[in-house]
Amino acid sequence: DAGVTQSPTHLIKTRGQQVTLRCSPKSGHDTVSWYQQALGQGPQFIFQYYEEEERQRGNFPDRFSGHQFPNYSSELNVNALLLGDSALYLCASSPGHRDYYTDTQYFGPGTRLTVL
Amino acid sequence: AQTVTQSQPEMSVQEAETVTLSCTYDTSESDYYLFWYKQPPSRQMILVIRQEAYKQQNATENRFSVNFQKAAKSFSLKISDSQLGDAAMYFCAYHTGANSKLTFGKGITLSVRP
Repeated sequence: DAGVTQSPTHLIKTRGQQVTLRCSPKSGHDTVSWYQQALGQGPQFIFQYYEEEERQRGNFPDRFSGHQFPNYSSELNVNALLLGDSALYLCASSPGHRDYYTDTQYFGPGTRLTVL
Repeated sequence: AQTVTQSQPEMSVQEAETVTLSCTYDTSESDYYLFWYKQPPSRQMILVIRQEAYKQQNATENRFSVNFQKAAKSFSLKISDSQLGDAAMYFCAYHTGANSKLTFGKGITLSVRP
């Protein structure tokens, strides 16, 4: 049973560029959440996708956007990259429910983004 | 604001000994779920243990157990018979029943001495 997978593993970009990160959820999961983890800090919630729609969003600017596909995989897009966007980006999946949240989120290995 | 506090940035334990990692949280909700995650140098965030706030019994998973004090909003993790592979960063986190956003603490780095 494959767990959560993410690609690429590492990415180096320059300021002002755009980046797309990808995530495939664990088998049987239909909800995908994205987190940003700065060095030495705990992860910060970016947003969550369920049924191909953004269901919840954290305190991140509109430069951060996402998408969920019919097969439940997801993309995180960041436009106009800033130096401060350098971080580990984690994807987590969980079995979804429409109106309540009880499930454990399982994380992928992350994508390390470096902005120069 | 909902917060999670892990006041000890680093801890060290001798192999085979027991160590307790502290965590406090702040939420006004009565329905919530607490977690400890482990993040080794490989970066993969691994679930260690989960506790439902409505359950009075403390969760256990093999060598890992929690001390959940709901009134004090405290959720500490006890690791028994520590092993070298337990060395990692440990994060305390929670989400409410009405919101699946996980709120994390800053983490604690645990080292295990052989």
